[in-house]
Amino acid sequence: SAVISQKPSRDICQRGTSLTIQCQVDSQVTMMFWYRQQPGQSLTLIATANQGSEATYESGFVIDKFPISRPNLTFSTLTVSNMSPEDSSIYLCSVARSPQETQYFGPGTRLLVL
Amino acid sequence: GEDVEQSLFLSVREGDSSVINCTYTDSSSTYLYWYKQEPGAGLQLLTYIFSNMDMKQDQRLTVLLNKKDKHLSLRIADTQTGDSAIYFCAERKGSGNTGKLIFGQGTTLQVKP
Repeated sequence: SAVISQKPSRDICQRGTSLTIQCQVDSQVTMMFWYRQQPGQSLTLIATANQGSEATYESGFVIDKFPISRPNLTFSTLTVSNMSPEDSSIYLCSVARSPQETQYFGPGTRLLVL
Repeated sequence: GEDVEQSLFLSVREGDSSVINCTYTDSSSTYLYWYKQEPGAGLQLLTYIFSNMDMKQDQRLTVLLNKKDKHLSLRIADTQTGDSAIYFCAERKGSGNTGKLIFGQGTTLQVKP
């Protein structure tokens, strides 16, 4: 397994602003993912964060709204841009040593947009 | 489609067994997972099963896989109040090499003392 931390753990933001969420893992991993969990819902994959290249986004998610950085094998950021109340969710990062291996999740960032 | 289906709610008494069911869609899925989410927390991996197995047991947890019917279940023996949480099943899509997981809606397990 891996020890994964996320910052901030929670935040309350005003609409129209942006928030950057950090994900740090205690060892080098090949795969890092960002998920969204809307209130009372399941998890939906936003994108795969690729080290050294642009993130791979899932259908319905775009880089302008959710820019992602992955500067090295232990760290990634997700920015939620120009926020609206519909962006209120839990954002979780997960990691895996390879696409074939188990994903482990961070504790999540709870975001409320007013 | 990509839907993974779970029943939404299960209530049991402490000491009873709990069985949480899941159906998935992709017959080529390689691994199937069970995650647990306690209130205010992230997802904790409970167990997983490889698609060429039909059963896996890990202490109080038993996973059964019926590949023909694409049906997965998680049995928790001697359920405790600390088992109260949301349980998600997830399949790793078989095609490609993306590692993408598709999650069910989650089953809320309520354990009554």
